[in-house]
Order: sequence, then structure tokens, then C-alpha cells
Amino acid sequence: KQEVTQIPAALSVPEGENLVLNCSFTDSAIYNLQWFRQDPGKGLTSLLLIQSSQREQTSGRLNASLDKSSGRSTLYIAASQPGDSATYLCAVKGNNRLAFGKGNQVVVIP
Amino acid sequence: GAGVSQSPRYKVAKRGQDVALRCDPISGHVSLFWYQQALGQGPEFLTYFQNEAQLDKSGLPSDRFFAERPEGSVSTLKIQRTQQEDSAVYLCASSSSRGPREPQHFGDGTRLSIL
Repeated sequence: KQEVTQIPAALSVPEGENLVLNCSFTDSAIYNLQWFRQDPGKGLTSLLLIQSSQREQTSGRLNASLDKSSGRSTLYIAASQPGDSATYLCAVKGNNRLAFGKGNQVVVIP
Repeated sequence: GAGVSQSPRYKVAKRGQDVALRCDPISGHVSLFWYQQALGQGPEFLTYFQNEAQLDKSGLPSDRFFAERPEGSVSTLKIQRTQQEDSAVYLCASSSSRGPREPQHFGDGTRLSIL
């Protein structure tokens, strides 16, 4: 069974600092990896999707890398803002399903 | 519609009651997924449909859970004889094709509380 781990579980950073969120997974046989954002009481908003053949994806201040062979992904958020406060979830796609980590709960302090 | 729509947003039921949760996927999306998210946890897979066919129900926690998608569009997740451990957020997602590489788009979920 695929196991996904996210470290750290929670972190607080001052506004303007860069955020680094880590995700690891046990089974490298994946189709892709997605990073989601979840605000309290809300569903999941997809931030970035990296196919298994890719090494990274970028969107604005967000950059995600994927090292499939070592089972790792990192999400970088540059110049964090208070609006970036949320829970960030990493999910890997196997057959028919996404396997999620428990999330990184982020607070950006103004 | 523009996104995945789930109803109701909140549901409170007494233990032992049956509940039904509805999901309207993005129009034209072939694949539909249900996930269960307990408090403080990541979502856990429940079941997967391709059109009206339920291809994977291995994540359903017990035979009290039942899902259907009779016309290949709207889906309903039914929980019979609810128990307190069923309290969670139930998320629905859809994707545009059968391909495993397509992204899944999520609704806002139904927050179920069993008293």
C-alpha cells in the first residue's frame, strides 16, 4: 500500500520568507503527483501537477519538484504572503486513486 | 456547471439513520471518485466510477457504504445505519477522461456529523 508522508506537519513563517514543504512516498510506481491547497471548511484546490516523466512544474511563486526514484517531492513557495496560510496536501496517483499525505499546515505571520 | 458540486454542504444525523450524499461532477467528465477525510487527516479513497460502471470499490469501509452513478453523471454515496466513526468530510472528484494521468477536480465536500 502506498504511504505518503509530509514533513513538517505544521509550520509558521514570517511574511516574505520562502516556504519549503516536503513530501515522500513509498512506491515509486506512480502516474503523477499533485499538490493541493485546502482552506478550512473547503475542498481541495489543485496547485501543481507533475507527471511521472517530469522533474518539476512552476506556476507563479510556486515550484514543485519530483524525484520519482527516491520517492520525494518538494513544494517551494517564494516570498510567502498571509494569504498563503492554508493546509497543503501532497497526493500521488496510482491505479484509480490518489493517495494523500496528512498535509502541511502553514501559517504566514504578517 | 463550472466545478464539482456537492450537496448538502453539512449533514447532521443521529446514529442509526441512513444518509445520502450527492455529487454533480463537471459536465462531460467520465471519471468520478469519492474520498473520506477524517479530521486532521488526508483524504482516503472510497470508490471510483467510469461513466456508470463502478470499477473500484475497495476503499469502502463496510457494507453499510454504497455508491451509485446510474446515468454516468450524478453520483450518490449512501451510508446505512450510520455510526459515530462515519463522521468526516466526504469529498467528490471528477476527471475528464479514463486516462490515469488526468488531474482530479474536487468539490467542497459534505461535512457529516453523526450524533
